[in-house]
Formats: sequence, structure tokens, C-alpha cells
Amino acid sequence: GENVEQHPSTLSVQEGDSAVIKCTYSDSASNYFPWYKQELGKRPQLIIDIRSNVGEKKDQRIAVTLNKTAKHFSLHITETQPEDSAVYFCAASKMYVEYGNKLVFGAGTILRVKS
Amino acid sequence: DVKVTQSSRYLVKRTGEKVFLECVQDMDHENMFWYRQDPGLGLRLIYFSYDVKMKEKGDIPEGYSVSREKKERFSLILESASTNQTSMYLCASGYYEQFFGPGTRLTVL
Repeated sequence: GENVEQHPSTLSVQEGDSAVIKCTYSDSASNYFPWYKQELGKRPQLIIDIRSNVGEKKDQRIAVTLNKTAKHFSLHITETQPEDSAVYFCAASKMYVEYGNKLVFGAGTILRVKS
Repeated sequence: DVKVTQSSRYLVKRTGEKVFLECVQDMDHENMFWYRQDPGLGLRLIYFSYDVKMKEKGDIPEGYSVSREKKERFSLILESASTNQTSMYLCASGYYEQFFGPGTRLTVL
């Protein structure tokens, strides 16, 4: 089955700097790659996702890149702000017509933005 | 707004007890999921259901079962709770994007 590895496990950056979190996946059939953000004491929420027919996707200060050949994808946050402090999870899935996604998550990255 | 609710935020049970965790969603989603979240292990899928009649094992189903009698309700059952089932349990629903509930922190003594 699918296996997703996520690095680093913790990341501290100064406010205004960029943050990059990387994930690798094992199943070449996976074609959907979402990122979830979980603030302290709250539920995970989707912040951005990418499908395998696209190499990069941006949404304001966040972007995700995908390298299908190398089977890795990354989350980029620019101009970090204190409210970006959270745990970030990457995930990978093959889309199934019957039930959509069966996500396999990475272990998570604790991002701390120091002001 | 999608709303996914879980029956309890905190639960304390004794070893060997039967435990029911309930999840309700109000967006008419076919698909519902149960995960457990442990530090350093991320979210691991226990069971999922993509139809009232269909339930599938996830990656860590041992010691758990599920019930889905109505489309909006998906229950996780710990037949005989053990200390290694102490964890945060998250329910989710959705097809592409998964919407999570607030979680139930279960402690088994």
C-alpha cells in the first residue's frame, strides 16, 4: 500500500521568512495530494491540494509543487506570519470513483513562526 | 458550512469496556472516515464507509468495528477497550476534500 514520509518533523522560522515542507510517496498510482493544517486544539483543515496532472499550484502565500518522477511533493509558505504556526500534514491518494479519496497521511510537521 | 460533529470531546473508559464514538455530518456526504491521531504518526485510517451499506477496513482496523445505519451517522466501536487505544479519534466526511470533526480524546485506564 501507499506510504508517505514527511520532513522535517519540526520547523522553526523567523516571521517573514519562507518555510518548505517535503513529502515523498511510494505508490506511483497516487494522483491526489492534499495538505491539511491543524492549529492547536482544532480540527485539520484543507489548505491546498494538487492533482497529478499539474506540477504546481499557488494560493496567495502558499504553493505546492509535485514531481511525479521522483514521487515527491512540497508545501511552500512565503512571508510566514505567526498565524501560520500549526501542524501541517501532507497526504497522498489514488482517486476512486466509488468513494473519492482514501488518504494516507504523513506524520506531520510542527511549524513555529517566531515573531 | 459543512458541519461534522462528534459525540464527546473527552472520554475516559476502563480496560475491557465497550466504547461507542459517534459522528454526524450534515452535508449529505456518502463518504465517511474514522482516523486516530497519535504524535509522530500522523492520522491513520481505521475504517471508512462510502455508502450506508458499504464499510471498508483502513490501515489499522484491529480492535475496532463500525456501524453506519444512516447516511449522516458513522459510529466507531471499540469492542473491548485496551490501553493502547488511548488516542485522539477524528471523524471526517467528504469526497475530495475531507471535513473533520473536532475529535474525541479517549483515555483507556
